[in-house]
Amino acid sequence: ETGVTQTPRHLVMGMTNKKSLKCEQHLGHNAMYWYKQSAKKPLELMFVYSLEERVENNSVPSRFSPECPNSSHLFLHLHTLQPEDSALYLCASSQEWQGAREQYFGPGTRLTVT
Amino acid sequence: QKEVEQNSGPLSVPEGAIASLNCTYSDRGSQSFFWYRQYSGKSPELIMSIYSNGDKEDGRFTAQLNKASQYVSLLIRDSQPSDSATYLCAVNEGRDDKIIFGKGTRLHILP
Repeated sequence: ETGVTQTPRHLVMGMTNKKSLKCEQHLGHNAMYWYKQSAKKPLELMFVYSLEERVENNSVPSRFSPECPNSSHLFLHLHTLQPEDSALYLCASSQEWQGAREQYFGPGTRLTVT
Repeated sequence: QKEVEQNSGPLSVPEGAIASLNCTYSDRGSQSFFWYRQYSGKSPELIMSIYSNGDKEDGRFTAQLNKASQYVSLLIRDSQPSDSATYLCAVNEGRDDKIIFGKGTRLHILP
């Protein structure tokens, strides 16, 4: 266990559904991240939050909407997704966004869009 | 476009031997370098971070950084079958300070 939890672990949703992914970190870190990992592609950074403020948005489609209500919780709201959005979605946290950048990953949510 | 390059493998190494994993990066301004291990179906796990030129040792793992040649490597001594995994190299992109991951090298330790 890394101290970062994610729910749900698996999710199947239709293209018209709305769902949310949840991440919680118990490490006292100030930065949290969302990544997408597809087969045969490198990890793709989607969003970065530092002290609840979004500091990075990597040209992610608007059908993905992040929310960071406090430094321990991070959500990814999903709506009208496409089949190509099927992937492993990983949450990570680090002590700081800049400086101490060692990231600790949660177990991920395996998302399938039908 | 800043890149972090790794040989995708698989790299096959006999049990007990030294496994050597290499990573090159394109941004001369990069300052932070990380190695992660990812077992199939699992999330990445941090193994090492290195910030200065030279070697950094932690148990059976040694990270080596050469900023002049823009490469970072990971050596695994006394390789065990449990070391079989994909190893991801990550580097900060100097100007925007993003962390960029390579595609990873699959390592297979032969019993």
